[in-house]
Amino acid sequence: QVQLQESGPGLVKPSETLSLTCAVSGYSISSGYYWGWIRQPPGKGLEWIGSIYHSGSTYYNPSLKSRVTISVDTSKNQFSLKLSSVTAADTAVYYCARTMVRGVRVWFDPWGQGTLVTVSS
Amino acid sequence: QSVLTQPPSVSAAPGQKVTISCSGSSSNIGNNYVSWYQQLPGTAPKLLIYDNNKRPSGIPDRFSGSKSGTSATLGITGLQTGDEADYYCGTWDSSLSAGAVFGGGTQLTVL
Repeated sequence: QVQLQESGPGLVKPSETLSLTCAVSGYSISSGYYWGWIRQPPGKGLEWIGSIYHSGSTYYNPSLKSRVTISVDTSKNQFSLKLSSVTAADTAVYYCARTMVRGVRVWFDPWGQGTLVTVSS
Repeated sequence: QSVLTQPPSVSAAPGQKVTISCSGSSSNIGNNYVSWYQQLPGTAPKLLIYDNNKRPSGIPDRFSGSKSGTSATLGITGLQTGDEADYYCGTWDSSLSAGAVFGGGTQLTVL
């Protein structure tokens, strides 16, 4: 059974960099699939941030691309998110998820439980 | 403003059927597969439907998906109080701003 678990600081100061890690268990990242990040501001909908393959190939949301870096560590079976120059608008629950991206299809399954990151001084 | 348009809310009585629509364009739903997610209160989203109409293992056949042109529909039959949740559609957008996109979400109330 594939399980994902997000970890990282719950509070980040404005203009600083948000850093989160997603640990994967029950499945080897190197076996396939993309691995992605999705966020949800309080009381709002879902926003895809980006996804990475074990080879390092990435897709990023164009609206966030200039501030986002997603990396993968196959030796630790985990992947990470860095979002720079954060503002209050980046306050959200951040989810990691296994991602199918192939041609005309994309879906996310399963998801981690999510971690709330608040941007505040 | 979401790329995909969903009604903010729908409601129906227990045992009844409800449908949730998701409207897009030729750059997303019109030429790509659609997925649907259920988010129960306080929990992470869960995949309900992928590739327009396929159900992952463990998802009951009360949930169904369909697509026609640039719109997709999630159907839920035999409504239960436990189905009260937010539902999101998602797909790939192949425009210049390519990437995964979601609808704004629909809150289902089982009266």
